[in-house]
Amino acid sequence: QQPVQSPQAVILREGEDAVINCSSSKALYSVHWYRQKHGEAPVFLMILLKGGEQKGHDKISASFNEKKQQSSLYLTASQLSYSGTYFCGTEAQAGTALIFGKGTTLSVSS
Amino acid sequence: NAGVTQTPKFQVLKTGQSMTLQCAQDMNHNSMYWYRQDPGMGLRLIYYSASEGTTDKGEVPNGYNVSRLNKREFSLRLESAAPSQTSVYFCASRAGGSGANVLTFGAGSRLTVL
Repeated sequence: QQPVQSPQAVILREGEDAVINCSSSKALYSVHWYRQKHGEAPVFLMILLKGGEQKGHDKISASFNEKKQQSSLYLTASQLSYSGTYFCGTEAQAGTALIFGKGTTLSVSS
Repeated sequence: NAGVTQTPKFQVLKTGQSMTLQCAQDMNHNSMYWYRQDPGMGLRLIYYSASEGTTDKGEVPNGYNVSRLNKREFSLRLESAAPSQTSVYFCASRAGGSGANVLTFGAGSRLTVL
């Protein structure tokens, strides 16, 4: 079952912050976040594993609430390069396949 | 290092024709996947192969067949194409089936069925 992402779209000015949420009705083993630019393949951002800590690099970080089966992606001080579609992918058990949400389109303007 | 290579990049078919999308990875990954991407629907899993010799259905397997030819190659076949199969198809691979391994995607194959 596809995880649910919200919001569907976000419009930002450079320097503003955004939060993208991902929730599942199933217990999760891991949550992955990917970003896709128009006409390109999705590219990995980060993984959060069950029992793991909040991850982050540069000004993008993420958290995983195992009790609620929810993950959030935090983008701070957004840059033009952050524009694209963000997908969360969830895995119910180790060794199964990733199931992706419908995506959140982020547009950053100057 | 090529990563994941998909062929063809573009294809136009008529309803009822058959075709095979090819995917090869050179990263010695065990697991391979086929997804389709349609506007507003995200990436939906068609089939996957957790290891050489195994294949499993995903969310939307109807109308497709797959073959894990060897560790490197995983093909997707449309036996009788339908307009509903017009989509962008992505092949992906990862080292193992555990959550600690990331997916590496191919560049995609855009298929149009008339």
